[in-house]
Amino acid sequence: EDKVVQSPLSLVVHEGDTVTLNCSYEVTNFRSLLWYKQEKKAPTFLFMLTSSGIEKKSGRLSSILDKKELFSILNITATQTGDSAVYLCAVYSGTYKYIFGTGTRLKVLA
Amino acid sequence: NAGVTQTPKFRILKIGQSMTLQCTQDMNHNYMYWYRQDPGMGLKLIYYSVGAGITDKGEVPNGYNVSRSTTEDFPLRLELAAPSQTSVYFCASSYLSGDYGYTFGSGTRLTVV
Repeated sequence: EDKVVQSPLSLVVHEGDTVTLNCSYEVTNFRSLLWYKQEKKAPTFLFMLTSSGIEKKSGRLSSILDKKELFSILNITATQTGDSAVYLCAVYSGTYKYIFGTGTRLKVLA
Repeated sequence: NAGVTQTPKFRILKIGQSMTLQCTQDMNHNYMYWYRQDPGMGLKLIYYSVGAGITDKGEVPNGYNVSRSTTEDFPLRLELAAPSQTSVYFCASSYLSGDYGYTFGSGTRLTVV
């Protein structure tokens, strides 16, 4: 059965800290991996990764994919209270659907 | 540009009642999806549609029905609501088959009592 596992489930840090969120997957037909940020409402798109070893970067956020070891990490440097959210990882395996992990809940304290 | 619009934002139903969650997108996306998100859980696919007139079941379709008469609209129907259907429901759409991610609606929080 296809699955996506995220760790840790939750994390509390102080402003300025650096955090690393993990996403491992087992799918029969990997096509792409996406990271989303979910605050109080709908998930918003962060990154899409399809190739191993190529880092995607947006400001203080970055992500990389390892297709050999079947995982991805999302790094957030110099965290701010506005980074507090649930971060979702999803893997697209074809058949018109993504498989979502349960998310990592990040809380950044001032 | 409105994107994906869901209504209502909140609803409380009694056991056995029925309702329709509305979803409309104005991006001319062919692909539309309904997900539910339970506390501490990932999003689970209920139904999806690859175009007007075409729908298919996802992982958790029991207790739900959908229709897709137009490209823009993809309503989700709950018949005989049960407490297990208490959840947050998200509608999403995508231009291609999903490789480029979804655009999500703002969600509907449904409570069945």
